[in-house]
Order: sequence, then C-alpha cells, then structure tokens
Amino acid sequence: GAGVSQSPSNKVTEKGKDVELRCDPISGHTALYWYRQRLGQGLEFLIYFQGNSAPDKSGLPSDRFSAERTGESVSTLTIQRTQQEDSAVYLCASTGTGVHRNTEAFFGQGTRLTVV
Amino acid sequence: AQSVSQHNHHVILSEAASLELGCNYSYGGTVNLFWYVQYPGQHLQLLLKYFSGDPLVKGIKGFEAEFIKSKFSFNLRKPSVQWSDTAEYFCAVRGNNRLAFGKGNQVVVIP
Repeated sequence: GAGVSQSPSNKVTEKGKDVELRCDPISGHTALYWYRQRLGQGLEFLIYFQGNSAPDKSGLPSDRFSAERTGESVSTLTIQRTQQEDSAVYLCASTGTGVHRNTEAFFGQGTRLTVV
Repeated sequence: AQSVSQHNHHVILSEAASLELGCNYSYGGTVNLFWYVQYPGQHLQLLLKYFSGDPLVKGIKGFEAEFIKSKFSFNLRKPSVQWSDTAEYFCAVRGNNRLAFGKGNQVVVIP
C-alpha cells in the first residue's frame, strides 16, 4: 500500500480482556517497529522486526505483550489481560534496510487503546 | 542502546518569534538523525533527516537542523514561526537499526 496502515484506529476494551492490534507496513520495507505513546509522553520503543532475523523484544514492558511478524508482511501486537495502564496510542512504523537503509521510518496513524 | 534527550517540553511563543529545540543523544557509533512533527490529530511526519554530508540540513516548512558530532547534538531551528507550527516535535536517532525517540517538545504558537 501507499503508507503504513494500522487497525483498528480505536479500541475500547474491558480490563482483563485480550486485544490484537494490526500493522500493514509499506510494501518492501524489511524493518518494522512498534511504539507506545501514552498521553503527554514520548514514544516508548516496544519491539523491532528486521526481515527473518530474531526480533528485538527488549522494549516489551511485560510478558502480557507479544508481537509477531511473518517475513516482511503484516505484524500483530497482542496484549493479554489488559490493564488500565495499557491505555495509550500504539504506533507502528516501517523502514527500508540494506541498500534501502537511507530512508526514514514511516508511521501509521496509530491505534488508540482505551482500557476501561 | 542509544538514548535521546529533549529539554523544555512545553514551549510557548508568538508568531514571528524564532524557535530552537535542543536534541542530544548518546550513542558511540554511526547514527542517522531525524526530527518528526505531529500536528494535532495527525500522525507523525518527517520534518528533516541527516545521514551524512553537510551537517546543516534543511527540511520542510522552513525548518533546519544542525548536526554537531562533537556535542552529540541535532538541534532544530526555525527563524520565524507561524501559528500553523503548533505541534509536537520529536527528535529520533537510529543506531544499529534501533530507532529511539526523545520525549518530545510541545510547541504552541500564539497568533
């Protein structure tokens, strides 16, 4: 597609429920990032995928958070047993690497998650 | 892992005033540097970037930034702001494929 697409754009869920967020990166972009942006805060790194390499999961805040990506396609971020502190905007970005690494990261519009 | 510092989180200024936002990073290797802007209700957009070459880079909407390697800095400037520059500005540093962001500067321009 023309840009990074995220779905849903808004999600309201009850505390304790699981949620799944989706990111469609720009076609051909090998690298994909997930970030969390709490109200009034900066972007908190969550996880980074690079092609078929093992992902960098060092930013995931707890074992309730997990993410998957198959090859260079769609990624899903799953939050299990959601808590109110999980409420935030979850942003996805993709970028080229290798011979295409001199590019910036392109962001999706984000998923606004509200846990009630 | 690299880290990025942005100071003066909230900046309020009048139209035509000059703007400078500081960005310092910590990372010893080769870096790519970015400034992103997030206008109210919109997603993050690239303002400008530095990969190599001339350390003074010019971006969109009259913004520029200067990479000073010895100071690990990449400060953003605009000589004369407009009301439409009201937004949040984020500095980002990519090193070893990790892309780290600062906490952002909330800039409000008063007409």
